[in-house]
Amino acid sequence: DAGVIQSPRHEVTEMGQEVTLRCKPISGHNSLFWYRQTMMRGLELLIYFNNNVPIDDSGMPEDRFSAKMPNASFSTLKIQPSEPRDSAVYFCASSPGQGRRETQYFGPGTRLLVL
Amino acid sequence: DAKTTQPNSMESNEEEPVHLPCNHSTISGTDYIHWYRQLPSQGPEYVIHGLTSNVNNRMASLAIAEDRKSSTLILHRATLRDAAVYYCILGSGAGSYQLTFGKGTKLSVIP
Repeated sequence: DAGVIQSPRHEVTEMGQEVTLRCKPISGHNSLFWYRQTMMRGLELLIYFNNNVPIDDSGMPEDRFSAKMPNASFSTLKIQPSEPRDSAVYFCASSPGQGRRETQYFGPGTRLLVL
Repeated sequence: DAKTTQPNSMESNEEEPVHLPCNHSTISGTDYIHWYRQLPSQGPEYVIHGLTSNVNNRMASLAIAEDRKSSTLILHRATLRDAAVYYCILGSGAGSYQLTFGKGTKLSVIP
């Protein structure tokens, strides 16, 4: 199993530009999560999908952030326009189901730097 | 949300056992206890989880106090590869999909 795949692994962009992060979950998993990690705030959940449907997006910082999951094998997180404070490592994770005992499998992350 | 408390950092000598503590005094009866770790420059990685009984797997053991207000992650023989931040997290609530990461314990392994 290839695990959770994220692309790109690194992204450097200028303020105001659009950024799109991509994630391929583990095949057969029906829950997908986007997290953001910074030194100041640690790991934060941004949004959670179950069966391709967004369930909870309360962690999305503001309207500049949007996430989609058009099918069970692909999800995107878009930032438009990007700002320097969006610089962080963004992780995608998937799990076989939902519930308090499910294990989440994380991807390697996308390191984003907004200049 | 139920919270956990962990020491900020710990040190261990290589090939010695390591006991990583976690306090969760407000845990409810249906909350699972999860442990994840994050190696440098990698995503978090599942280690182990349990509800009431002690658990063992190939990576570690989880010892849960009888009152469930604390737990201990046990690495039986620490290796350099075990140097990471270890997170103790409660899986709680009806739709408990969310892992709420705290600051964790940074484990250093001394050769």
